[in-house]
Amino acid sequence: QLVLTQSPSASASLGASVKLACTLSSGHITNAIAWHQQQPEKGPRYLMKINLDGSQIKGDGIPDRFSGSSSGTERYLTISSLQSDDEADYYCQTWDSGIVLFGGGTKLTVL
Amino acid sequence: EVQLLESGGLLVQPGGSLRLSCAASGFTFSRFAMTWVRQAPGKGLQWVSSIGGSSGSTNYADSVKGRFTISRDNSKNTLFLEMSSLRADDTAIYYCAKGGWDRNYYYLMDVWGQGTTVTVSS
Repeated sequence: QLVLTQSPSASASLGASVKLACTLSSGHITNAIAWHQQQPEKGPRYLMKINLDGSQIKGDGIPDRFSGSSSGTERYLTISSLQSDDEADYYCQTWDSGIVLFGGGTKLTVL
Repeated sequence: EVQLLESGGLLVQPGGSLRLSCAASGFTFSRFAMTWVRQAPGKGLQWVSSIGGSSGSTNYADSVKGRFTISRDNSKNTLFLEMSSLRADDTAIYYCAKGGWDRNYYYLMDVWGQGTTVTVSS
C-alpha cells in the first residue's frame, strides 16, 4: 500500500538550514514526489518535484534556497538561510495508479 | 499570470448538495488536467478528484466516489465539483489545482487556488 510518512513538526533558527524528510512505503522506491508549501491561512504552493535520482523540477519563482534530494525511499526538502516566512506546513505528495496521495505534513517553526 | 479562483462554498445541511466552481486564467485551460483537493479544519491535504484536459477522463478518491462529480467547461475555462449526499466529514476548504490525472498520465499540480469553504452542518 502506498503511504507517505512525514514528521509532524520541525524547527530551526532564522538563517539556519533545515532538511525535511518524506518516506515512501517499501515497494514504491521509484515513485517521484512533489513538495508543496502552505503558509498560514493561504492555499498551498508547489515547490518542486523530486525523482528517485534526485533530479528536480522547481516551480516558477521558487528561490534557490529551496532544494531537494533523494536516497532510497526518502525524499528530502532542504531550506537554507531560513526566513520568517518559511514558517509553514510542508506537504509531500505522490501519485500512482489513478490516485494522488499526500503525506500528513510537517509544521516548520522558524525560531 | 496563472490564476485559479474557487467559489460556491456555503453552509449546507447533511444530505444536501452543492456545486463548486473554479475559474481559470492565464493558461490554455483545455490542455491541462485539473484537480480538487480538500483540507478539513486543522487537518492535512486530501485529494478529491481529477479530470483530464481534452479527454475528460475522471478519477475519484474512494471517500467521494458515487457522491461527487467533477466536470469542466473548456469554453468558459471553468472547473466544477458537484457534491451530493453531503456529510459532516465533507466539511473542508476545497482547493482547485492545475494538473492531475489525465487518462493514465499524471501531470504535476503546479498552481493552486486560494480555496472555498464548505461547511456541512444542521
